[in-house]
Amino acid sequence: GQQLNQSPQSMFIQEGEDVSMNCTSSSIFNTWLWYKQDPGEGPVLLIALYKAGELTSNGRLTAQFGITRKDSFLNISASIPSDVGIYFCAGRGYQAGTALIFGKGTTLSVSS
Amino acid sequence: DAMVIQNPRYQVTQFGKPVTLSCSQTLNHNVMYWYQQKSSQAPKLLFHYYDKDFNNEADTPDNFQSRRPNTSFCFLDIRSPGLGDAAMYLCATSLIATGLKNIQYFGAGTRLSVL
Repeated sequence: GQQLNQSPQSMFIQEGEDVSMNCTSSSIFNTWLWYKQDPGEGPVLLIALYKAGELTSNGRLTAQFGITRKDSFLNISASIPSDVGIYFCAGRGYQAGTALIFGKGTTLSVSS
Repeated sequence: DAMVIQNPRYQVTQFGKPVTLSCSQTLNHNVMYWYQQKSSQAPKLLFHYYDKDFNNEADTPDNFQSRRPNTSFCFLDIRSPGLGDAAMYLCATSLIATGLKNIQYFGAGTRLSVL
């Protein structure tokens, strides 16, 4: 079945630093989604990507749908303490009826 | 305002005692999903309803059941909870089940403890 690798598993950074995380799949995806989950809460959608090469921003967050359709990255610029949480990528393949596949998450810690 | 609402936020049950978790949505979405999420892991899809059609994942144990009495509500029933069923249970909805615009919106989750 389809697999999705997300890295890094965790990051420890200083406030103000930029952050980058990425996901790669074993097959072509037609949708990439990036979610953030705060402790004890459900995932909240940050950015949705639908086209190869698409670059989308949401405030300090920028995500791109890789040209190969097998990868996506999320960048956070000038991190702040409230960026702390777990970031999940999720994607879906082209085959009809395929479920959304989640990465294992990147845990971000920000020290001030 | 919350669009996917899960109740309760925290649920404690005893080993083997049936428990029901609730999810409601104000989005009028066709699809409702139930995920199980254990600590530091990705959400794992248990099943979903597309309108009234129930779609079970192949590896979901029979201990987990679901009901969707109407568009707005969906329930997760755990018939005989074991210690290994302690987890966060997430409900999500989407307008459609497939296609590019299938964005899933999550509720805040129910944290289930099994004593």
